[in-house]
Amino acid sequence: DTGVSQNPRHKITKRGQNVTFRCDPISEHNRLYWYRQTLGQGPEFLTYFQNEAQLEKSRLLSDRFSAERPKGSFSTLEIQRTEQGDSAMYLCASSPAGPDTGELFFGEGSRLTVL
Amino acid sequence: AQSVAQPEDQVNVAEGNPLTVKCTYSVSGNPYLFWYVQYPNRGLQFLLKYITGDNLVKGSYGFEAEFNKSQTSFHLKKPSALVSDSALYFCAVRANYGGATNKLIFGTGTLLAVQP
Repeated sequence: DTGVSQNPRHKITKRGQNVTFRCDPISEHNRLYWYRQTLGQGPEFLTYFQNEAQLEKSRLLSDRFSAERPKGSFSTLEIQRTEQGDSAMYLCASSPAGPDTGELFFGEGSRLTVL
Repeated sequence: AQSVAQPEDQVNVAEGNPLTVKCTYSVSGNPYLFWYVQYPNRGLQFLLKYITGDNLVKGSYGFEAEFNKSQTSFHLKKPSALVSDSALYFCAVRANYGGATNKLIFGTGTLLAVQP
């Protein structure tokens, strides 16, 4: 499968614990995005990487959230000291190099449940 | 600020009938407009986009959308609905000017239910 891969698909954790999600974009896609989707809402932008550089970060991304893309390939999203309000589906998307028309290729998401 | 409105939480249509899913937007400058579809337990899939040119754009699975600048709308349409079209549909917008952010702003989604 050459699509965007996200792991783990499901994560249940207790409040206060740290969690990390991984995203493997489509090979050679240099743009990578993280979104968050809660029930009944559309995806909300969290952050954007071009290669290894984090070029944009939403105000939604509090200081408990950190994202990295150290080698310009896979990316990780870490949430520290999780809160119940962090429960959501975390979506990763990628897009190829070249003129950026905004068409994104999404993974199936990582669902986080904070108890 | 950029925003997208999908005024209908759910659209019901009989198989074989035409369908319309509504979307209006607000953005500075000329917009890039998109429709994505989300099937149960599947990732978001791109359907179609408007960047420039013809106001009527055609996409996957027989869907099309019409860009109307004066009404700031980008409604999704299909001449004949299939039961398999039943899914959650999201409209999205992105600004298109120098220095614009790369992020897409999504609407809240419209659930399309096609009855056999």
